[in-house]
Amino acid sequence: DTAVSQTPKYLVTQMGNDKSIKCEQNLGHDTMYWYKQDSKKFLKIMFSYNNKELIINETVPNRFSPKSPDKAHLNLHINSLELGDSAVYFCASSQDLSGGAKETQYFGPGTRLLVL
Amino acid sequence: QKEVEQNSGPLSVPEGAIASLNCTYSDRVSQSFFWYRQYSGKSPELIMSIYSNGDKEDGRFTAQLNKASQYVSLLIRDSQPSDSATYLCAVKSDFGNEKLTFGTGTRLTIIP
Repeated sequence: DTAVSQTPKYLVTQMGNDKSIKCEQNLGHDTMYWYKQDSKKFLKIMFSYNNKELIINETVPNRFSPKSPDKAHLNLHINSLELGDSAVYFCASSQDLSGGAKETQYFGPGTRLLVL
Repeated sequence: QKEVEQNSGPLSVPEGAIASLNCTYSDRVSQSFFWYRQYSGKSPELIMSIYSNGDKEDGRFTAQLNKASQYVSLLIRDSQPSDSATYLCAVKSDFGNEKLTFGTGTRLTIIP
């Protein structure tokens, strides 16, 4: 069983389109994250949710909107896609935020987004 | 100044030798330190975590932390070709709701 799963794995779309990426974890974790990894492999946090509550919201354009319908799911919707949005988007989860090993983050397989 | 710095490499090490990966961080209140391995086209996977000064060993991997020098390293003994990957250092403070900050990664190649 995949612990953290994402769909789709690949996403190729035109500029200006709206798209969504879905993430699900079956680890029973309370905290979920979205990261963006650019072409230079730099991995940067975008959002974090703990028990469906937004707790980290980095400087990300308003076109990006996360949604957490329940603790096991965190989706990312992107409006008006731009060329610079092309990247690999990783979802991750951790048990909670109580520190130490419980904050170890486990990553999904990634969604490779290409905006043409 | 970058918050977490790593040598980007590539670092080439002969098979069987010790690979040494270094990471420095700027936030003195950082408390949790992680090393992730990322194979090309794959997701990062945790290989080591360390929370207190000193060494922590797990199989062929040893993490070393020196909070006074704001330095964390990863040693890989008896390097294998399967160790060829990008290694990401990640740092976090433990004051609640703090983000995990990643370095840019070091690309390691083990030469058979």
